Amino acid sequence: RKEVEQDPGPFNVPEGATVAFNCTYSNSASQSFFWYRQDCRKEPKLLMSVYSSGNEDGRFTAQLNRASQYISLLIRDSKLSDSATYLCVVRGDTGRRALTFGSGTRLQVQP
Amino acid sequence: GAVVSQHPSRVICKSGTSVKIECRSLDFQATTMFWYRQFPKKSLMLMATSNEGSKATYEQGVEKDKFLINHASLTLSTLTVTSAHPEDSSFYICSAIFSAVEQFFGPGTRLTVL
Repeated sequence: RKEVEQDPGPFNVPEGATVAFNCTYSNSASQSFFWYRQDCRKEPKLLMSVYSSGNEDGRFTAQLNRASQYISLLIRDSKLSDSATYLCVVRGDTGRRALTFGSGTRLQVQP
Repeated sequence: GAVVSQHPSRVICKSGTSVKIECRSLDFQATTMFWYRQFPKKSLMLMATSNEGSKATYEQGVEKDKFLINHASLTLSTLTVTSAHPEDSSFYICSAIFSAVEQFFGPGTRLTVL
């Protein structure tokens, strides 16, 4: 079983749509959770951290459910510029600072 | 914001040659850097953890004699792919620890071995 699992997509949505991505992780000792965005042939860039209380940044809302080991990302009012691959990322226990990446979910926002 | 650079951004080489990739933290010091590899349509996979002043820690299945890592200063880590072969063609990305919760990625190096 992969440490971090995501639906690869692609998700093809019209501009203005709301889209949700889900992710599950296998290591219950994981400490930190993130969503990164990766554009084609570019490095990943941090979109937002994810907390159990849920957090929102503009049109983006992230949620963590530790009991279910489940992470979500909601994008409202999709823009063409949101088209990218969204990576669910987990960091293990405090002794390990490297990140474990999911394989990503591809989003294509269409006009 | 903190910036991490990588050089070169793209390299094409013949099979059997060695390729050195540099990763620099430009405006902060990083005692720890990470090297990842990403094959097409796959996730980033951690190859090794580079520690300034000590030996790198390699992930299972990554050959330390093939992927030589040197972290000689607080702002520079290098990855040398020795005797590169076509199966080593990939996107190599480094990252540097900036704070307890944040790390920054370099722009990546695309290696093509003919």
